[in-house]
Amino acid sequence: DQQVKQNSPSLSVQEGRISILNCDYTNSMFDYFLWYKKYPAEGPTFLISISSIKDKNEDGRFTVFLNKSAKHLSLHIVPSQPGDSAVYFCAASGGTGGFKTIFGAGTRLFVKA
Amino acid sequence: DVKVTQSSRYLVKRTGEKVFLECVQDMDHENMFWYRQDPGLGLRLIYFSYDVKMKEKGDIPEGYSVSREKKERFSLILESASTNQTSMYLCASSRRDRVWGETQYFGPGTRLLVL
Repeated sequence: DQQVKQNSPSLSVQEGRISILNCDYTNSMFDYFLWYKKYPAEGPTFLISISSIKDKNEDGRFTVFLNKSAKHLSLHIVPSQPGDSAVYFCAASGGTGGFKTIFGAGTRLFVKA
Repeated sequence: DVKVTQSSRYLVKRTGEKVFLECVQDMDHENMFWYRQDPGLGLRLIYFSYDVKMKEKGDIPEGYSVSREKKERFSLILESASTNQTSMYLCASSRRDRVWGETQYFGPGTRLLVL
């Protein structure tokens, strides 16, 4: 049973445009939703997160939106840069899982110059 | 600068061998994790530990064991390696941030090939 789902395996965007990565979850008890970024041959790095009591959080070019009624979150990257090309993992933590984090399958973003 | 290190970047082992993967963190974190990453499956939790000598099974513990004798070190053991354990293995430690929640810090990964 996949509690965190990323239905798009890949996304291609032109440099300077907006990248939107989507994620759905099933467990309404999660208290934080996080995004991690992973380059080839490196471990994932934390990018941004949002508390379940908020609906938007932004940090520079990155904004995460949370729609609790739809159990959906999205990561917006504006403007997209070639260096953003990576795999992005959506994740959720808290609730009955405590400090465990549940990861989605990842979306590979290609930003074309 | 926070750091999680893993003992090997690449390993090639034979079926049936016992394999040790070591992970060390220098952030004094209580919680440590072992994941494997496979294409299309994301990161799957093998085992985690919330204190020295404490361990809990994750989602796919079969064929693996762990050891945490010191706070900074968390080892993953493949008792008898099999070809379906060929994968990228990622170690992480975590802390609770007041703003960002439970954030994990990952090592660079060990790519294991079992022949």
